[in-house]
Amino acid sequence: DTVMTQSPASMSTSVGERVTVNCKASQSVGTVVAWFQQKPGQSPKRLIYLATNRHTGVPDRFTGSGFGRDFTLTISNVEAEDLAVYYCLQYGSIPYTFGAGTKLELK
Amino acid sequence: EVQLVETGGSLVQPGKSLKLTCATSGFTFSNAWMHWVRQSPEKQLEWVAQIKAKSNNYATYYAESVKGRFTISRDDSKSSVYLQMNSLKEEDTAIYYCTWRGPLGPYWGQGVMVTVSS
Repeated sequence: DTVMTQSPASMSTSVGERVTVNCKASQSVGTVVAWFQQKPGQSPKRLIYLATNRHTGVPDRFTGSGFGRDFTLTISNVEAEDLAVYYCLQYGSIPYTFGAGTKLELK
Repeated sequence: EVQLVETGGSLVQPGKSLKLTCATSGFTFSNAWMHWVRQSPEKQLEWVAQIKAKSNNYATYYAESVKGRFTISRDDSKSSVYLQMNSLKEEDTAIYYCTWRGPLGPYWGQGVMVTVSS
């Protein structure tokens, strides 16, 4: 199974700052990685697919990058509505595997 | 618009059975590879099962944690996918999501709660 090691587990930020979340795969997954945002009581919301593609309606302050084993989600100019938990997912091979999540909080 | 709607969640005793249903619309279901994913109370996400399309002989795959207890199935005439869960354990307590891996990545339903407790 491909293990997705996500870091950090949590981070504190201020509105307007830039934050990065990292996922490292235990083996190459090409670009078959997605990023999700989850707020309390809600199902995961799609942000990025195929590592770098932003879903329709996702603000351009969300950027995905990476290939192979190392992937990054960058949020530029953080807004208060971005406070949530973020997950990475590799969906190139069964079993699909998820990162453990990164909780983004306000300082 | 892609929609996935899960139903069937409940409180059930350990050792009992439960069947989840996911009704879909907005895409060609008969060609779709469908999945179930669950999220534990600790918020960890775990892939549970996959069923491929008729052209792939409806092949199924399971996480080791549910193999032999859970069965995924589909009814293309109803654009629905199911998860039959037998011999339920307390550690199966989770929100269960139906997902479709579309060309733009995975789509999720709103989820349904399954609680296994005596």
